[in-house]
Amino acid sequence: SQTIHQWPATLVQPVGSPLSLECTVEGTSNPNLYWYRQAAGRGLQLLFYSVGIGQISSEVPQNLSASRPQDRQFILSSKKLLLSDSGFYLCAWNRDLRAYEQYFGPGTRLTVT
Amino acid sequence: GQQVMQIPQYQHVQEGEDFTTYCNSSTTLSNIQWYKQRPGGHPVFLIQLVKSGEVKKQKRLTFQFGEAKKNSSLHITATQTTDVGTYFCAGQTSGTYKYIFGTGTRLKVLA
Repeated sequence: SQTIHQWPATLVQPVGSPLSLECTVEGTSNPNLYWYRQAAGRGLQLLFYSVGIGQISSEVPQNLSASRPQDRQFILSSKKLLLSDSGFYLCAWNRDLRAYEQYFGPGTRLTVT
Repeated sequence: GQQVMQIPQYQHVQEGEDFTTYCNSSTTLSNIQWYKQRPGGHPVFLIQLVKSGEVKKQKRLTFQFGEAKKNSSLHITATQTTDVGTYFCAGQTSGTYKYIFGTGTRLKVLA
């Protein structure tokens, strides 16, 4: 069966510090991968998605970046965090076709202080 | 850009009452999905609708996709405390892999 992992579960970082969040998927190959951010009490904002290694589509211009160094690994990064980067970061995957349900990871709660 | 709105934003109901959330897209969708997120948790897939006018049922939950494929609804009959959470729709347009999530409806069920 497929499993999606995210770490860390929680993170408190000062403004201006770097960020690296990792997401890995097990039990499938060539998944579509997604990064979402959810502000407290709000909806999900799509940040990046990837349909293959090295292929990243950015949805929102910001100080975040994403990379996919391996087929089942998706990384979200920032060189300098802003207060507005606080939120609940969710990684998701679905099969390598359109119109398939997304499976979400447990998420990372990031607080920028 | 494409927007997906949901109403209401919040809904408090007495246990046993019905609940409906509505989802409206600014553009025509190829399919729409519904997710439930429990407090403190991550979204969990409920169902996907693809055809115009499609209606699907899961026990007490009824999902509908509009004829024009720009709106959808989720109706829960006789709510239970286990129905508490935020319900999101997520729309996909033709030719893209991305989903645009609705703003969500937070449901609270009072026992």
